[in-house]
Parts: sequence; structure tokens; C-alpha cells
Amino acid sequence: TQLLEQSPQFLSIQEGENLTVYCNSSSVFSSLQWYRQEPGEGPVLLVTVVTGGEVKKLKRLTFQFGDARKDSSLHITAAQPGDTGLYLCAGADDYKLSFGAGTTVTVRA
Amino acid sequence: GAGVSQSPRYKVAKRGQDVALRCDPISGHVSLFWYQQALGQGPEFLTYFQNEAQLDKSGLPSDRFFAERPEGSVSTLKIQRTQQEDSAVYLCASSPGTGYGYTFGSGTRLTVV
Repeated sequence: TQLLEQSPQFLSIQEGENLTVYCNSSSVFSSLQWYRQEPGEGPVLLVTVVTGGEVKKLKRLTFQFGDARKDSSLHITAAQPGDTGLYLCAGADDYKLSFGAGTTVTVRA
Repeated sequence: GAGVSQSPRYKVAKRGQDVALRCDPISGHVSLFWYQQALGQGPEFLTYFQNEAQLDKSGLPSDRFFAERPEGSVSTLKIQRTQQEDSAVYLCASSPGTGYGYTFGSGTRLTVV
């Protein structure tokens, strides 16, 4: 059972376009983490957001944490084929992470 | 090593067989976690170790699942009398402690036939 809902489930875009992935929960978490997972590999941590309203930028990726610390978004500007992968959000409750089902992003060259 | 190492990468087991999955965490990482990832889903928590102590095993699906970390480094996840529903990718992760991000291994893909 996934406590976090991610949308959309699948996203296919052309290189150079922008995209946004959403992560929503009815629960409040102490922090929220975003991971990217490629086929046959484990998830790789992209960012951790802690404070309600927080915005973090990582090159072309922008992460927002909602004011109520229940929702988050990931925005990618000028997507590249190397951005292709499964994007997972995870809510942290002390040591335990609860993951969403993920958004599969495909960036076509 | 530089990352979390898991072995084997792939395991095919006949239903009813016992399996053992190994995890070598990053040296010095206090916290170790096991997660199960079914096809098309996000990882689901199985168990958590702090050093050699298993502090949370609430995610283990049944008493056929057992995990240990006897010396506070390498961990083994054992599944007895495997069933088809056990087929999944088993991910191990480690971190320096609470509040830090995880580093995941590449996982073991278990297929029960």
C-alpha cells in the first residue's frame, strides 16, 4: 500500500520540453526525498526537502515542498534523454521511508 | 567499497526452496535497511538495523522472512519456503544515521517458479 500518490504514472516528452511530476499525501512527513531509478539499478537520491514551502534547485531540476509538508513537485526544465527514468518520492518518518509508486519519464531525442 | 553491494544480482528459486540474499553496506554506515520492490511499484519497507540491532521488522511479510546483521556490517535476508508472491526485487540501503539520505544497492531480482 503506497501512502504517497504520484502523478502522472507515465510521461513521455520530446527533448527540450519541460515537465512536472507531483507527489501527494494525506500524511505529514518530517522530510520528503526524491529519487531517480534506472532499470536494473537501485534508486539514487536527488534531493531532500525538509521545510514547508522550501524550494531547491539542482541544475535543471526544481523541487518544491508544500507549505503543509504533505505534497511536493519536481519540475525539469529543458529535459534531456539522460533524464529518462523512474522518479520516486518518499516521505520520511524518522528512519522509515514510504515511497510512492513512481512516475516513469521518457525523454525522446 | 564505494557503494552498497548486493549479491546475487539475480536468483531463480523453485517454490518451496530457501534463499539467502546478501548486502554489503558502505563501510561505517550505522543504519541498514531492506526494501521489497514489486514490478511497477515503489519500494516497500521490510526491516531496519542500527548496527547489529534489528530495531524494526514490522514490514516483513511473514515469519518465512528473516534478516540478520550479526557484526553490524554485512546483512543477510533469508526467505524460507519461497512462494510465487515473493518474486520481487529486494533492495538494501545504508545510511550514516537517522536523517541522512539512503544509498541503495542495485538489488537482487528474485524469481520464484
